[in-house]
Amino acid sequence: DQQVKQNSPSLSVQEGRISILNCDYTNSMFDYFLWYKKYPAEGPTFLISISSIKDKNEDGRFTVFLNKSAKHLSLHIVPSQPGDSAVYFCAALNNNDMRFGAGTRLTVKP
Amino acid sequence: NAGVMQNPRHLVRRRGQEARLRCSPMKGHSHVYWYRQLPEEGLKFMVYLQKENIIDESGMPKERFSAEFPKEGPSILRIQQVVRGDSAAYFCASSRTSGRADYEQYFGPGTRLTVT
Repeated sequence: DQQVKQNSPSLSVQEGRISILNCDYTNSMFDYFLWYKKYPAEGPTFLISISSIKDKNEDGRFTVFLNKSAKHLSLHIVPSQPGDSAVYFCAALNNNDMRFGAGTRLTVKP
Repeated sequence: NAGVMQNPRHLVRRRGQEARLRCSPMKGHSHVYWYRQLPEEGLKFMVYLQKENIIDESGMPKERFSAEFPKEGPSILRIQQVVRGDSAAYFCASSRTSGRADYEQYFGPGTRLTVT
């Protein structure tokens, strides 16, 4: 049962433009959401998070939006940079149970 | 200030052999989580341990897999009688507590297990 879904396996954007990565979830018990970034041959590293009591959290070029009624969250990166090229995982948390999406491979072209 | 360490980074085992994966959490961290990433899939939770205790093993296959986090030494994920379907990347993560903020912590680089 895939409770967290990232339906786009890959995304390609031009440097300087906005990257929008999407994530959907099915379990309404999730109350905390995170985005991780992963480079090849490395473990995921935390990027940004949002609590279910908020609908937006911003950190520099990264903004996460949460739409609870739609059970949807998105990560916006603006402006996108070539160094942002990586696989991005969204994760949803309910107590100790953290579920990850399958990831979206972002490629930012110079 | 070492991060989460995992070894070996790559492990090749023949079908039927045992695989032992080690994870040393960050200094001061007493909570360890193991995840598995199968090809083309996301990270899947396997088990959550504190020192000498298994807190949640709901994601662990019922047979052949076991995990421990002893009072001294690294956490060990053990897979007995490996099969080709066990081939995956296994990631360990650690946190200081189980509070929300501590999920913003570090993962290890992973162990890539290949079963031939």
